[in-house]
Amino acid sequence: AQSVAQPEDQVNVAEGNPLTVKCTYSVSGNPYLFWYVQYPNRGLQFLLKYITGDNLVKGSYGFEAEFNKSQTSFHLKKPSALVSDSALYFCAVRDRTGGSYIPTFGRGTSLIVHP
Amino acid sequence: GAGVSQSPRYKVAKRGQDVALRCDPISGHVSLFWYQQALGQGPEFLTYFQNEAQLDKSGLPSDRFFAERPEGSVSTLKIQRTQQEDSAVYLCASSLAVGSTDTQYFGPGTRLTVL
Repeated sequence: AQSVAQPEDQVNVAEGNPLTVKCTYSVSGNPYLFWYVQYPNRGLQFLLKYITGDNLVKGSYGFEAEFNKSQTSFHLKKPSALVSDSALYFCAVRDRTGGSYIPTFGRGTSLIVHP
Repeated sequence: GAGVSQSPRYKVAKRGQDVALRCDPISGHVSLFWYQQALGQGPEFLTYFQNEAQLDKSGLPSDRFFAERPEGSVSTLKIQRTQQEDSAVYLCASSLAVGSTDTQYFGPGTRLTVL
């Protein structure tokens, strides 16, 4: 079984400050991990993914995420937040074992960046 | 280039009516997924197609839900005798190949409201 937890329903940050959106996962094997962003009335847009290799993954719009196997985490980060980053962020996991193609998504975290 | 499109964007149905939701994936994408996203939740897997073959329908909540992709491109999700609990946003996603590392590209979704 695979699962994802996004422990914060909402994250508030001032524009220009660094932001972190947390994600922890559980899989029986090794994970593939994804972050998506959802703007109002829009579908999910892909930000970045961890497959293998370097634990620090860089993605779109200046976002990055760090895979931490010991803590089973994949937190999303950005050094300097923009008001336009305000949106809903979803973490997703797929268990690498058996090549599962079905991802499990977290409940989402609402990021609010204040001017 | 054209992304994943879905129609209609909004659908209001009276309880007991049948509805059909359409998904046009990115041209050439082999894999197609349907998800259900309830308010305040992440997307939940419904069904998966590889070309015209429906390889997994384990997420369909009842036998009132039916999906098809007869020619391996456009897909339709049909819900018969709609119930209030079917109210949700239905998301379609496609990916180029069949690997579990493939990035999924999402459509804007169809918001279904059952009265």
